[in-house]
This record gives sequence, C-alpha cells and structure tokens, in this order.
Amino acid sequence: QKEVEQDPGPLSVPEGAIVSLNCTYSNSAFQYFMWYRQYSRKGPELLMYTYSSGNKEDGRFTAQVDKSSKYISLFIRDSQPSDSATYLCAMSGSGGSNYKLTFGKGTLLTVNP
Amino acid sequence: GAVVSQHPSRVICKSGTSVKIECRSLDFQATTMFWYRQFPKQSLMLMATSNEGSKATYEQGVEKDKFLINHASLTLSTLTVTSAHPEDSSFYICSARDYDGGAVFFGPGTRLTVL
Repeated sequence: QKEVEQDPGPLSVPEGAIVSLNCTYSNSAFQYFMWYRQYSRKGPELLMYTYSSGNKEDGRFTAQVDKSSKYISLFIRDSQPSDSATYLCAMSGSGGSNYKLTFGKGTLLTVNP
Repeated sequence: GAVVSQHPSRVICKSGTSVKIECRSLDFQATTMFWYRQFPKQSLMLMATSNEGSKATYEQGVEKDKFLINHASLTLSTLTVTSAHPEDSSFYICSARDYDGGAVFFGPGTRLTVL
C-alpha cells in the first residue's frame, strides 16, 4: 500500500461546478497537510495548508482533514477554466527526516468553459 | 503568500560544464529546503533535503558529488550540477519550509538543457 493514494483522474467538469479532490494516507505520523496546484512547466503553488485535523476555507477553496479516517479533501467552488491544472496533495510529519513531503500522484483537472 | 524565488529560470549549457541554481525564500526563514527534479508529465522526484548550516541529505540513487547542495543561510540554498550531461536536462524545483508555521512553498523552477 502506498503511503498516499490519490486518484490521478483525469477529471473534467463544466465551468461553475464544485470539484471534490481527495487523498487517503496510511502514516499516522503525518501532521501537516497541503494542497498544491501545478500548471504545466511551473512550480507547484500552495493552495491550502492545514496542521492536524479540521477544516479551512480560503475564497473558493475548502480543505478538510480527518485524521481518524486518514482522509483529506479539497473542494473548489465555482470552478473556472483557469483552475485547469494538476492538483497535488502532500503531507509530512514533524522533525528531522519526517519533514520531507510525501505526495499523492496528482489529479489532472480540466474545467471546460 | 510566502515567496520562493529561483534563479536562473532557464539555462542552456554545453556538456561538461557546471551550472549553479539559486533558491531563495524572500519573506520568511527556512531552516529546511528541498530540491526536486521533474521530467515531463511525471511526478516530482525528491533529490535532497538541505538544512541550514549542515550537510544535505540525499535520496537514494542521487549522486551527491554530482549534485552539490549548499544551504549557507536561512534564506538561500544552491544546487550545483557538476559536469552536466544531456541526461541531466530536466526541470529543477526547490521548496522551502517556513520555520514558523511549517508550510512548504515551492519556487517557480529552473529548466536546464544540456547540449
């Protein structure tokens, strides 16, 4: 079993749709959870960051972390064509070598006008 | 949000030369920085983790004598690709962990082409 599982898609939605992305993980030591958006030939852009469990909202984006289920989600409301990109979940523990990020494979999202 | 810069954004060099890539955290301190390479349509591959003032920790299979990493300050890490060859052509991306909050921010990447 991989440490982090993420459905690679591709996922295609119409403009204005609500997009739901998620990842599951197996390492109970993970405490830091992040979602990134990566456009082709660009570095990943941090969208949401959560420490431990809980929900976080920023504009059209909502991140949820459920540590008891080892499940994290990212919701995108009112999706736009400019949201078309690869979305990566990432997580880490704390301290020393546990600081390095473990990534999901990424989900390729296309938002159609 | 916090900003990480990389320089240069693109470099083309001849085989056998060395190339240095700089990674800077512009508005936060980063005790830990990471270096990745990414091939087209593939996942990020971690090369090494660098901590300020100490030697970098390299991932298995990454030649530390070929990819020299220096993390001289809390805001600067450099990757030097020594004696570059065409197979080293790739997209190199750095990231920096915010000392205060723990979030990790990525740079825009450097595209290296070795002729």
